[in-house]
Amino acid sequence: EAQVTQNPRYLITVTGKKLTVTCSQNMNHEYMSWYRQDPGLGLRQIYYSMNVEVTDKGDVPEGYKVSRKEKRNFPLILESPSPNQTSLYFCASSLLESYEQYFGPGTRLTVT
Amino acid sequence: DQQVKQNSPSLSVQEGRISILNCDYTNSMFDYFLWYKKYPAEGPTFLISISSIKDKNEDGRFTVFLNKSAKHLSLHIVPSQPGDSAVYFCAASERGSGNTGKLIFGQGTTLQVKP
Repeated sequence: EAQVTQNPRYLITVTGKKLTVTCSQNMNHEYMSWYRQDPGLGLRQIYYSMNVEVTDKGDVPEGYKVSRKEKRNFPLILESPSPNQTSLYFCASSLLESYEQYFGPGTRLTVT
Repeated sequence: DQQVKQNSPSLSVQEGRISILNCDYTNSMFDYFLWYKKYPAEGPTFLISISSIKDKNEDGRFTVFLNKSAKHLSLHIVPSQPGDSAVYFCAASERGSGNTGKLIFGQGTTLQVKP
């Protein structure tokens, strides 16, 4: 089944404790992206990647890191999480020439 | 600065009637528009899209209309069904200027279809 998977789905952590949210897709998509969803703000792009070893900042990259060592994986790293990073996070992927992005099920992160 | 706006946070309609969800945008360089549907505890799923060179696109019960002069698009669902109850996000993309694949989303509209 074609899908984007994220892990964990739910995470509660404390300020400053490094964490990684994994994202994997099995559709051989070149393009992958991370978004965060906050009430009243919709989804905002954090980082994106057009292919292996090619990443760039989105609209809200502060406090986040990403890497793209393999085509199928695009982990989101929070080196020192803060309470303002409490949010719902979505990973998405698409073919490079397509506008339609496929989204993962989401990761709800709470930073206390 | 919110480039894509959905000014109605919620909408409630009766089953069988028409649902109209609206979206406004400010960037005239957007060349493609999409609607996504999101159920609780799931990721957004693609619903329907429209290129800026068109003014209408239909797919079954769903029709998207684009008015470029007004920078406005709308999603019509006819007839509405209880299973359509979800959050609907409008999104826009700007490919031409080198912005690569980024979708800019509106805030979302929660649709409730009552049986």
